[in-house]
Amino acid sequence: NAGVTQTPKFQVLKTGQSMTLQCAQDMNHNSMYWYRQDPGMGLRLIYYSASEGTTDKGEVPNGYNVSRLNKREFSLRLESAAPSQTSVYFCASRPGTSGNNEQFFGPGTRLTVL
Amino acid sequence: GNSVTQMEGPVTLSEEAFLTINCTYTATGYPSLFWYVQYPGEGLQLLLKATKADDKGSNKGFEATYRKETTSFHLEKGSVQVSDSAVYFCALSDYGGSQGNLIFGKGTKLSVKP
Repeated sequence: NAGVTQTPKFQVLKTGQSMTLQCAQDMNHNSMYWYRQDPGMGLRLIYYSASEGTTDKGEVPNGYNVSRLNKREFSLRLESAAPSQTSVYFCASRPGTSGNNEQFFGPGTRLTVL
Repeated sequence: GNSVTQMEGPVTLSEEAFLTINCTYTATGYPSLFWYVQYPGEGLQLLLKATKADDKGSNKGFEATYRKETTSFHLEKGSVQVSDSAVYFCALSDYGGSQGNLIFGKGTKLSVKP
């Protein structure tokens, strides 16, 4: 099992460019999440998908869109990148079964917006 | 709303020293509590968890006890090693909240010197 995989690992964008961060999990998990990590801020939830076919906003959704393509894949799109979106982005998944709230994280995507 | 507060770092210790990282929380209901660890350049990994009051989570020599009366979940290790150098995150998950989402503290960076 690869667990949670993310592509790309690194990306540099210019202000106004768009891009999609890809995430996939092979653990048959129901729930998937996108976080951003900024110095001194911990991890903040951008969007999540409790199950295939559903998505919901988290704490900091502005400037982002998501797609739960199927049970395995959950992508994050920046339509018009801004320097404030420079961050490390983590995808995570969770079984979604009652009583198990452990989340499994991918290795992250380090994004710089110039 | 729910929140997690953990001691600010960085924390610098000598090898074999005793470690405590304080974590307190605010939550309604009966959350599950977690400690995650992030090694340099990697994603987060679950270190330990506790799902009810007085539970003790333990792993790799680390321990934390869920104290409902003091709303705390302090992380301890009796003898740290250089390989324990990482960022540690305290988190909670509220069953009554949004789909078992995690709320993270801001993280505490630990550096262990030989």
